[in-house]
Amino acid sequence: EPEVTQTPSHQVTQMGQEVILRCVPISNHLYFYWYRQILGQKVEFLVSFYNNEISEKSEIFDDQFSVERPDGSNFTLKIRSTKLEDSAMYFCASSEALAGGQYNEQFFGPGTRLTVL
Amino acid sequence: GNSVTQMEGPVTLSEEAFLTINCTYTATGYPSLFWYVQYPGEGLQLLLKATKADDKGSNKGFEATYRKETTSFHLEKGSVQVSDSAVYFCALRPNYGGATNKLIFGTGTLLAVQP
Repeated sequence: EPEVTQTPSHQVTQMGQEVILRCVPISNHLYFYWYRQILGQKVEFLVSFYNNEISEKSEIFDDQFSVERPDGSNFTLKIRSTKLEDSAMYFCASSEALAGGQYNEQFFGPGTRLTVL
Repeated sequence: GNSVTQMEGPVTLSEEAFLTINCTYTATGYPSLFWYVQYPGEGLQLLLKATKADDKGSNKGFEATYRKETTSFHLEKGSVQVSDSAVYFCALRPNYGGATNKLIFGTGTLLAVQP
């Protein structure tokens, strides 16, 4: 069964460093998403991406964040200069394209735990 | 704004016990409602969904009914198994009348089922 994969499973970085989190969505999916969950808090939507551009983003997704689909398979989230408060579990998801407003199930990866020291 | 509130965990039950995990929501319009489950080491998986009031979603013995009058979507199962041990997330998809596929989640409830 196709699945979304994420690497690495755990990333430790120093404050101020750049990190890139990687995701491989399901191959025939066209929508891609990033969510995050700070320990003990809610899973929060960050951004959705379609047709090589951001389709929606939350207020969390500021200039420190960027997303890219560098090739036909990967989808990345970059944090330019990490802060302590960026420590969280980051989930990637993908779905088939919306059709007529119907919900297309989002398939989630296992997450990358980011720890900023 | 839109938000989801779940009962706090962990919830610890014996096998074959009845499960209820409460979920209430705040939303404008008529959101779609979902339960996701996360087994250890895996991603979130869609468990069930309901897209309009009074709809009942069901899967693998789990059920939840979309109650607009109480803005609730409580998850129930009549007889839990050890294999049901996981984290359960309630979520909504806003319905603004436009195209959005973002999900708004609750904090998740850890269920531990003991043999």
